[in-house]
Amino acid sequence: DAGVIQSPRHEVTEMGQEVTLRCKPISGHDYLFWYRQTMMRGLELLIYFNNNVPIDDSGMPEDRFSAKMPNASFSTLKIQPSEPRDSAVYFCASSLAQGGTQYFGPGTRLLVL
Amino acid sequence: AQTVTQSQPEMSVQEAETVTLSCTYDTSESNYYLFWYKQPPSRQMILVIRQEAYKQQNATENRFSVNFQKAAKSFSLKISDSQLGDTAMYFCAFTLGGGADGLTFGKGTHLIIQP
Repeated sequence: DAGVIQSPRHEVTEMGQEVTLRCKPISGHDYLFWYRQTMMRGLELLIYFNNNVPIDDSGMPEDRFSAKMPNASFSTLKIQPSEPRDSAVYFCASSLAQGGTQYFGPGTRLLVL
Repeated sequence: AQTVTQSQPEMSVQEAETVTLSCTYDTSESNYYLFWYKQPPSRQMILVIRQEAYKQQNATENRFSVNFQKAAKSFSLKISDSQLGDTAMYFCAFTLGGGADGLTFGKGTHLIIQP
């Protein structure tokens, strides 16, 4: 069984550019989560979806960040325009409706120069 | 809002020793789940163990066990017969029950197993 898939694994971009991170959850999972990990702030929830619908986006830092889930097998997290302070590791995770166990993808390491 | 506190930024033990990582949390809810995740240098977040708050019995997974004290809001992880491959960051995490919700993480404990 494939786990959560994220792409790209690494992204280096220049300030002001648009960045798109991608995630494919585990098949059959109803919930999808986006987290950000930095040294200063640790692991933070950005947004999560249930059955493709955004439920809680209170963790999205600014309007520069947006997330979509057009179908059950794909989600994107977009940053436009990117800034150096957005440099972090971005994780996608998925879970079933009950139980709460979240399975994480390998993460995308983003560096904004 | 829920909070999770890990008071040990770093710990170091010898291989084969037993080590306990501490975690406390704060919530006014009664239905929730607690987790320990391991993050090795590869960055992958790996589930170590999971505890349902309504279960009094402490969860166990091979060499990993927890001491769940609900009244004290404490959730420590014990690693027995530690191995070099246990070297990693360990994160304690909390989520509300009644359906999926986001995880609230502690700051992590960097565990180093010395040969």
